[in-house]
Parts: sequence; C-alpha cells; structure tokens
Amino acid sequence: DAKTTQPTSMDCAEGRAANLPCNHSTISGNEYVYWYRQIHSQGPQYIIHGLKNNETNEMASLIITEDRKSSTLILPHATLRDTAVYYCIVRVLYNQGGKLIFGQGTELSVKP
Amino acid sequence: NAGVTQTPKFQVLKTGQSMTLQCAQDMNHNSMYWYRQDPGMGLRLIYYSASEGTTDKGEVPNGYNVSRLNKREFSLRLESAAPSQTSVYFCASSSGGTSGANVLTFGAGSRLTVL
Repeated sequence: DAKTTQPTSMDCAEGRAANLPCNHSTISGNEYVYWYRQIHSQGPQYIIHGLKNNETNEMASLIITEDRKSSTLILPHATLRDTAVYYCIVRVLYNQGGKLIFGQGTELSVKP
Repeated sequence: NAGVTQTPKFQVLKTGQSMTLQCAQDMNHNSMYWYRQDPGMGLRLIYYSASEGTTDKGEVPNGYNVSRLNKREFSLRLESAAPSQTSVYFCASSSGGTSGANVLTFGAGSRLTVL
C-alpha cells in the first residue's frame, strides 16, 4: 500500500494561500491522491482528488508533480474556518470498493 | 439530504457490555465503512463493505463485528466492550467501484466511552 508523509502542523495567515505538501513516493500508476479535512472532531470532509493532472474546484487546487511522487493542496485565500486537520491519502484499490487508509494528517492553523 | 446518519451520538458502556452502532445512508451508495478515531490520532479503518452482502476487515478489526443489513445500513457491534474501545466512531459511504470518483461521505460520529 502506498503511504503518505505530511508535516505534522503548519500555520498560515488569514487571507494568504495555504500550501500543504504531501509525499507519496511509492504511489502506483493507477492510484489516486485524495485530500480530506476534519474540522474539530466533525466527520472528515472531502476536498479534492486527482490522478496526474492538476485539479481545481471551489474549495482548493491540487498540484501533482510530474513523477507523481508528491502533491500540494492549495487553499488560495485561507480563512479562520479552514483551521482543521488535512489528510492526504493515496487510495488503495480492493475489489469493488476502494478503501481509504488515513494517516496522521497536517494540522493547519489559520491565524488572524 | 440526510447523507450518512449514525446512532447513537453518545454512549457510555461498562466493560463487558455489548452494543451496536447503527449507520444508514440515503445516497444509494454501494460501499460503506467504519472507522475509529482516538484522541489526537488519525482515522483507522475497522471494517468495510464494498457492496451489499460483502464485508472485509480493515486495519483494526479485533473486538468488532459488522453486518451489512441491506444497501442502506451497515452496523458495527461490540460484543464485549473494553476500555481500549473508547473512541469516536465514524461511518462513511461511497459510490464504490474503482473510478477516482469514489469519494467518501462521513457521518457526524458516535462517541463511545467504556468504563
């Protein structure tokens, strides 16, 4: 199973871009990179996912390096409500339903 | 839309007691999952059901049993609760399949304390 490595914690000033890195050097060719976040003990919330191309949605952008060994989640204008634990996950394919294995994540603190 | 509904939200048990956590989803998803989260830690997969009628072990299945009652419902049972099972339990569901759009939707969590 491909594993991910993320910094334990990061700070970001409100209104600035938050760039959260993730290393997944053992990722396989057909495995996707997913990002979820968890705000203060709530259920995790899906943010974005990608295979090899950069992706953008209303919440964030995902930049995946050409060799796919690392990626960066970008929150373009962080707000206080973005304070959360962010999980980078490489999806494990198993039978019909791909289970997700969560790591420790990065605790992002957005400060005024 | 209710999404994923878990019951109960809170429960206190004594060591050795049994209980069942219920989970239901209304999104017609094929796959369902149970995770646990201990204080200050990430989520760990207990069991999952890739489709109706199938269940498989995750990372930490010992001490738990599951039942995929139908497509909507996936229950988690603790037969003889232990203090080590004090945790927050999250149920999740996804459309299933092997495409990249297999996004998980989580419930609000069930906080279990075993004394």
